Amino acid sequence: EAQVTQNPRYLITVTGKKLTVTCSQNMNHEYMSWYRQDPGLGLRQIYYSMNVEVTDKGDVPEGYKVSRKEKRNFPLILESPSPNQTSLYFCASSLSWDRVTLQPQHFGDGTRLSIL
Amino acid sequence: AQSVAQPEDQVNVAEGNPLTVKCTYSVSGNPYLFWYVQYPNRGLQFLLKYITGDNLVKGSYGFEAEFNKSQTSFHLKKPSALVSDSALYFCAVRPSTSGTYKYIFGTGTRLKVLA
Repeated sequence: EAQVTQNPRYLITVTGKKLTVTCSQNMNHEYMSWYRQDPGLGLRQIYYSMNVEVTDKGDVPEGYKVSRKEKRNFPLILESPSPNQTSLYFCASSLSWDRVTLQPQHFGDGTRLSIL
Repeated sequence: AQSVAQPEDQVNVAEGNPLTVKCTYSVSGNPYLFWYVQYPNRGLQFLLKYITGDNLVKGSYGFEAEFNKSQTSFHLKKPSALVSDSALYFCAVRPSTSGTYKYIFGTGTRLKVLA
């Protein structure tokens, strides 16, 4: 089944304890992205990647890191989490990013992070 | 600044009636526009997109949207609402500016279809 898989689905942790949220897609998609969803703010893009070793900042990158060493994986790293990073996080992927063949994004089911 | 606005936090409609969920955008260049739907405890699901061509776009589950360049709008519509359409709807835009590969989402509109 074609899907975007995020782990963990839920995590409660404490300020300053490094954490990684994994994201994997099995569709050979080029474009991958991370979003956070907050009430009243909708989805905001954190980072995106157009291919292996090609990443760029979205609108809210502060406090986050990403890497794209393999095409299928795009982990989100919080090196020193803080309470304002408590949110619902979504990973997404799409087949292409160029405007000629632009395809919609497929989303994972989300990771709810609580940072105390 | 580039932005997407969904002016209504919630839209209520009776089952069988037509529904409209509004979206306006402010981006440079020609936008690429999308609608997504989110059900509880799930990720977003794609409904439809406008890249170029015909201003009226048809998508999944009987939804359609009309791109209006002069009004910078991309409203989502359905002729006859179902209770199962109740969900959270997001409008998204990717500016066509060269070198821009970001997506901008609206704040979401909760659709409630009443039986």
